[in-house]
Amino acid sequence: EDQVTQSPEALRLQEGESSSLNCSYTVSGLRGLFWYRQDPGKGPEFLFTLYSAGEEKEKERLKATLTKKESFLHITAPKPEDSATYLCAVQEIGTETSGSRLTFGEGTQLTVNP
Amino acid sequence: DAGITQSPRHKVTETGTPVTLRCHQTENHRYMYWYRQDPGHGLRLIHYSYGVKDTDKGEVSDGYSVSRSKTEDFLLTLESATSSQTSVYFCAIRAGQGARYEQYFGPGTRLTVT
Repeated sequence: EDQVTQSPEALRLQEGESSSLNCSYTVSGLRGLFWYRQDPGKGPEFLFTLYSAGEEKEKERLKATLTKKESFLHITAPKPEDSATYLCAVQEIGTETSGSRLTFGEGTQLTVNP
Repeated sequence: DAGITQSPRHKVTETGTPVTLRCHQTENHRYMYWYRQDPGHGLRLIHYSYGVKDTDKGEVSDGYSVSRSKTEDFLLTLESATSSQTSVYFCAIRAGQGARYEQYFGPGTRLTVT
C-alpha cells in the first residue's frame, strides 16, 4: 500500500530563517510527486510536480527536489505570507486506469513569524 | 482556481438525512474527484469520474454515491448522513497534457452532521 509521510508535522520559523520540509514515500513505482499549499479554510493550491529523481523546481522562495525515496520542499528566507500547510502527494505508476489517484500525506503546518 | 465551484460551502444536517454536495467546473475537464479531509488522515479519495455517467470508487466510498449527468457537474450524495461523515469535502479536476497532469481543487464544503 502506498504510504506518504511528511515531517515535521509543524514548523515555526522566524522571517528570513530558511528550512526544509520532508516528504518520504513508499510506492512500487513513482509516476509523479506533487506539492500543494493549503491556507486555512481553502482548498489545496497546486505548487509543483516532480517526475524523476534529481528533478528540481522553483517558485519564488520555494524549491522542490526529488530523490528515489523522498522529496524536500526548501523554503529560502521565508516571509509571514508563506505560512500555510504544505501537502505532499504521490501518484503511483499503474493508477492511470484507476483515475490517476493521488495518495496524500498529512501535511506540514508552517508558521513564519515576523 | 481552475474554474471550480462547490455548493453549499457550509452545511449542518442531522443524522439520517440525505445530503447532496455539488461540484461545478467551467473548463470541460474529463476527470473529476471527490475527497474528504480529516485531521490525522489527510485527503482521502471518495469517488472519481472519468466522463459523463462514468464513475468509480476511491478508498473511502462506503456511505457515499456520486453522479455525473453533465461534464460540468459532479454530485456527491450521502444517502443517510452519519456523524462520521462530518468533514471538509473537496472537489478536484485533472488538467494537463499527455502523460503529465495535475489535480486542482475547489474551495471545499464544510459538512457537520449532528
